[in-house]
Amino acid sequence: NAGVTQTPKFQVLKTGQSMTLQCAQDMNHNSMYWYRQDPGMGLRLIYYSASEGTTDKGEVPNGYNVSRLNKREFSLRLESAAPSQTSVYFCASSVGVWSRGMNTEAFFGQGTRLTVV
Amino acid sequence: EDKVVQSPLSLVVHEGDTVTLNCSYEVTNFRSLLWYKQEKKAPTFLFMLTSSGIEKKSGRLSSILDKKELFSILNITATQTGDSAIYLCAVEPLQGAQKLVFGQGTRLTINP
Repeated sequence: NAGVTQTPKFQVLKTGQSMTLQCAQDMNHNSMYWYRQDPGMGLRLIYYSASEGTTDKGEVPNGYNVSRLNKREFSLRLESAAPSQTSVYFCASSVGVWSRGMNTEAFFGQGTRLTVV
Repeated sequence: EDKVVQSPLSLVVHEGDTVTLNCSYEVTNFRSLLWYKQEKKAPTFLFMLTSSGIEKKSGRLSSILDKKELFSILNITATQTGDSAIYLCAVEPLQGAQKLVFGQGTRLTINP
């Protein structure tokens, strides 16, 4: 019963390096999300994919790109990492189709702690 | 701009106490409000609220929504050390995808 799986769990990058965070879900969810969590700021949405084949910017998209590879997988890429991107990154997924009376909550992965030096 | 504000930001109580966490929001076209508990890693879902005045309850935890005054509270009675966590409130605006707007979180510490 994996749910949402993120890799890697930890990463240290030098400024200017690139990397891709991987996320996969096995719940047949339509929608997937990438959030970042910084101290005192809650979770902020970077990008989301409402359904396979679509992606849209969230609240803080600058410096990131995403790919919805298929229904299961949604990756986040940092092309040129900056110290301001030091954060904990969470991938999440949800059914994506709202229905009254139905719990349609988002399920979260375990997070990736990224440090950019 | 959609906004969610939680209070207090931090709370320290003794085991057995009752706590009330607050969440107020300003969201265009509200759909639902969700509470999550975050211990060491991933936030885990507690409640989803869509209607005013209907209390949702799970063991010692309960929550209620007031859509007129735009707030929700999360109550925890007879607190235990295992309740120590960050409690996150999120609101889902009425849009195509279920994007969540999160508050800053309340860090709750229960001392034995």
